[in-house]
Amino acid sequence: ELKVEQNPLFLSMQEGKNYTIYCNYSTTSDRLYWYRQDPGKSLESLFVLLSNGAVKQEGRLMASLDTKARLSTLHITAAVHDLSATYFCAVDSSWSTDKLIFGTGTRLQVFP
Amino acid sequence: DGGITQSPKYLFRKEGQNVTLSCEQNLNHDAMYWYRQDPGQGLRLIYYSQIVNDFQKGDIAEGYSVSREKKESFPLTVTSAQKNPTAFYLCASSIPLGGYTFGSGTRLTVV
Repeated sequence: ELKVEQNPLFLSMQEGKNYTIYCNYSTTSDRLYWYRQDPGKSLESLFVLLSNGAVKQEGRLMASLDTKARLSTLHITAAVHDLSATYFCAVDSSWSTDKLIFGTGTRLQVFP
Repeated sequence: DGGITQSPKYLFRKEGQNVTLSCEQNLNHDAMYWYRQDPGQGLRLIYYSQIVNDFQKGDIAEGYSVSREKKESFPLTVTSAQKNPTAFYLCASSIPLGGYTFGSGTRLTVV
């Protein structure tokens, strides 16, 4: 059974600092997705990573995928308050479907 | 604009009552999904459908039912057998390797 773990679960960081969120998964997969969720809202797609070594960047966020280590990272550069949200990674559980298994989420709070 | 529409946004259910959550998409996606999210938790898969007239149980299907009579629509019924239905319900659709597009969610509360 595929399990997806994120750490940390909660992250409080000062504006301007850098930090990394980690996403580990338990079985072979080379398709990983990152989403953002604001309080009380739905999920917004951030990154789609479809191969080993994939790296995507958007603004202050950069995501990477290492399928051999079964690890994805979401790196935050020079955090700003607008990045405060909960971030989820999700992994494809099967070659034959697009059924995603979600991590528990990392709640990020950026303060001045 | 293409997207997924969930309704209602808020829903209140009495004990022993069945309620149906609507999910409609105009993205022409074949696959659709229902997830449940409890406060401070991740998403858990209830049901999914890869094609019209076919659907499969997810990890927490007990107490729920679905239908997929049209490509655009994937309604979820929360039955009286679901003893703890209070949660945020999210519908999504997808294309192969494209990840999910989510609806805005329905917040269900038992009163």
